[in-house]
Amino acid sequence: EAQVTQNPRYLITVTGKKLTVTCSQNMNHEYMSWYRQDPGLGLRQIYYSMNVEVTDKGDVPEGYKVSRKEKRNFPLILESPSPNQTSLYFCASSLSDSSSYEQYFGPGTRLTVT
Amino acid sequence: GQNIDQPTEMTATEGAIVQINCTYQTSGFNGLFWYQQHAGEAPTFLSYNVLDGLEEKGRFSSFLSRSKGYSYLLLKELQMKDSASYLCAVRDGTSYDKVIFGPGTSLSVIP
Repeated sequence: EAQVTQNPRYLITVTGKKLTVTCSQNMNHEYMSWYRQDPGLGLRQIYYSMNVEVTDKGDVPEGYKVSRKEKRNFPLILESPSPNQTSLYFCASSLSDSSSYEQYFGPGTRLTVT
Repeated sequence: GQNIDQPTEMTATEGAIVQINCTYQTSGFNGLFWYQQHAGEAPTFLSYNVLDGLEEKGRFSSFLSRSKGYSYLLLKELQMKDSASYLCAVRDGTSYDKVIFGPGTSLSVIP
C-alpha cells in the first residue's frame, strides 16, 4: 500500500531533550516536506527536500533540522525542543515532475513540549 | 509579502452547492492546490490548478485566475461527509518548491 508513515504518532517531552520524528514513504517520491499545524495558523512549511541531499527552508525553519540521506526517509530533528514547538506535525511527499504535484500526507505526530 | 486568504467558516445545506474562495499574494506562482482535511486527520488532495480556468472532478470543481490571484473550490450536491476544512495552498516557485498554505475554511454541512 502506498503510504507515508510517521513515528511516533504522539510524543510528550520536556524542554531541551533532543528528539527525532521519522518520516518514510514507499512511493519513490523525490519531494518530501515537513509542516506544522497550529490552530488559527493553518499548515506552515518547516523544511522541504527536492531529492537526496537537497533540502531548503520553508517558512518556519527555526529550531528544526532535517536530513535527506535516502530517498525514502526525511527525519525531522528538534535539537533542543521548546514549548512553542508544541504542535501537530505532518510529513508529506510527492513526485517532482509537472504531471503530478499531489502531496501525500502522513498521519501526523502530535508533539507536546513541557 | 506572502498572503493567502480564505473565509474562516462556512455553513451550507445538504444537497446544495457551496463555493469556497481563496485569494493569494505570493512572490512567485507555480500552481494552486486544494486539500480537504477532516478533523483529526491528515489533509487529502482534491485538485491542482496551474492554468487559468475551471477543472472539474466529479462533485468538486476548482477555478483559477492567475491575473486576479484568485481561486475557488466548488462543491456540488453536498453530503454530510463533506463537513471538513478546505485548505488552499500555493506553490511559490521562487525558492525551489516552497508550498504556502492558507488558514483553511471550516465547512459545516447541515441537514
